[in-house]
Amino acid sequence: KAGVTQTPRYLIKTRGQQVTLSCSPISGHRSVSWYQQTPGQGLQFLFEYFSETQRNKGNFPGRFSGRQFSNSRSEMNVSTLELGDSALYLCASSLNSGPNSGYFGPGTRLTVL
Amino acid sequence: AQSVAQPEDQVNVAEGNPLTVKCTYSVSGNPYLFWYVQYPNRGLQFLLKYITGDNLVKGSYGFEAEFNKSQTSFHLKKPSALVSDSALYFCAVSRGDNDMRFGAGTRLTVKP
Repeated sequence: KAGVTQTPRYLIKTRGQQVTLSCSPISGHRSVSWYQQTPGQGLQFLFEYFSETQRNKGNFPGRFSGRQFSNSRSEMNVSTLELGDSALYLCASSLNSGPNSGYFGPGTRLTVL
Repeated sequence: AQSVAQPEDQVNVAEGNPLTVKCTYSVSGNPYLFWYVQYPNRGLQFLLKYITGDNLVKGSYGFEAEFNKSQTSFHLKKPSALVSDSALYFCAVSRGDNDMRFGAGTRLTVKP
């Protein structure tokens, strides 16, 4: 079974731009969760999507948004990028919503200049 | 709100010795507790979880963790450390959803 894939793996943007990251979950998994990892704040939960619906949302500004498609692939979008958005963005997939073990993808390293 | 503390930024052990990585948690209600490991430039790998049942949970790669409700702890242990266990370890807590709160991480170094 293929694992969780995230594209792109690396991304460089400038302040004010917007970016879209993609996550393809393990086949058959319907839940995708997104996390931001930075040296200062550590790992923080962004949001979870299950069956195309946002189930949970962390404490992030509205510039961070996401969606999930009918094939369970998920995208997250960050608008009006700030320097502090530079981070490793991880997604995790699980079969159902709930306390998941979380099969994590390798992450997308976003650098904002 | 739930939270996790990993009191040690760094743990150093010699290969073959037992290792312990500490984690304490705070959550209202029953906790769902997790341990993950992260290698350089890699995502998180699941090691083990506690939801209910036996307080001693066995996981991947010979790791185990003991849930202690009275001390609100969930320490990660391994009887005999390997050099390849050197990595960053994260403890996480959830109230039953995917809004997991992670600790700051503990860097484990196993020396030959």
